[in-house]
Amino acid sequence: DAGVIQSPRHEVTEMGQEVTLRCKPISGHNSLFWYRQTMMRGLELLIYFNNNVPIDDSGMPEDRFSAKMPNASFSTLKIQPSEPRDSAVYFCASSLDRRGAGPGELFFGEGSRLTVL
Amino acid sequence: AQSVTQLGSHVSVSEGALVLLRCNYSSSVPPYLFWYVQYPNQGLQLLLKYTTGATLVKGINGFEAEFKKSETSFHLTKPSAHMSDAAEYFCAVSGAVNDMRFGAGTRLTVKP
Repeated sequence: DAGVIQSPRHEVTEMGQEVTLRCKPISGHNSLFWYRQTMMRGLELLIYFNNNVPIDDSGMPEDRFSAKMPNASFSTLKIQPSEPRDSAVYFCASSLDRRGAGPGELFFGEGSRLTVL
Repeated sequence: AQSVTQLGSHVSVSEGALVLLRCNYSSSVPPYLFWYVQYPNQGLQLLLKYTTGATLVKGINGFEAEFKKSETSFHLTKPSAHMSDAAEYFCAVSGAVNDMRFGAGTRLTVKP
């Protein structure tokens, strides 16, 4: 079975441009997470979805960031306009969470490395 | 809200020596605790997890961790380090709803 698939793996863009990161979770998983990893701040939870519904977006840095999950097999994280301080590795992860069984294991993609010049 | 604190951003051990990576948690509800490992240019992989029941949890690659409620700790250990253990290790905590929060990470170096 394929794991979590993220694209692009690397993105270099100029300040002010729109960036869209994509994620395909593992088939059958019902929760999806977007994390950002930087040296300074470590691994930050940006937003997570359960059954395609955003549950907690309190980690989204500001209005320039938005995330969608139009169906169970696809999610996007968009930054518009991008700024140099958005440079980071963005990870998508998915899990199968069963009611009453506690949180499921997170399976991570390989990440999208974003550089904003 | 839950959070974890990992003590020591870098740990260096000799091959064959004991590995001890420290993690303390804060949670207002019974916590679910995890250790993940990250190799260079890769995503995180689950090492082990504590949900309920036995407080000593065994994971992959010879690692184990013990949940100590009185100390709010979940330290990761391995009796004998191997060169292949060199990586970054993350402790994480979640409530019943999967809103997993990670610690800052500890980079483990293994010297020959």
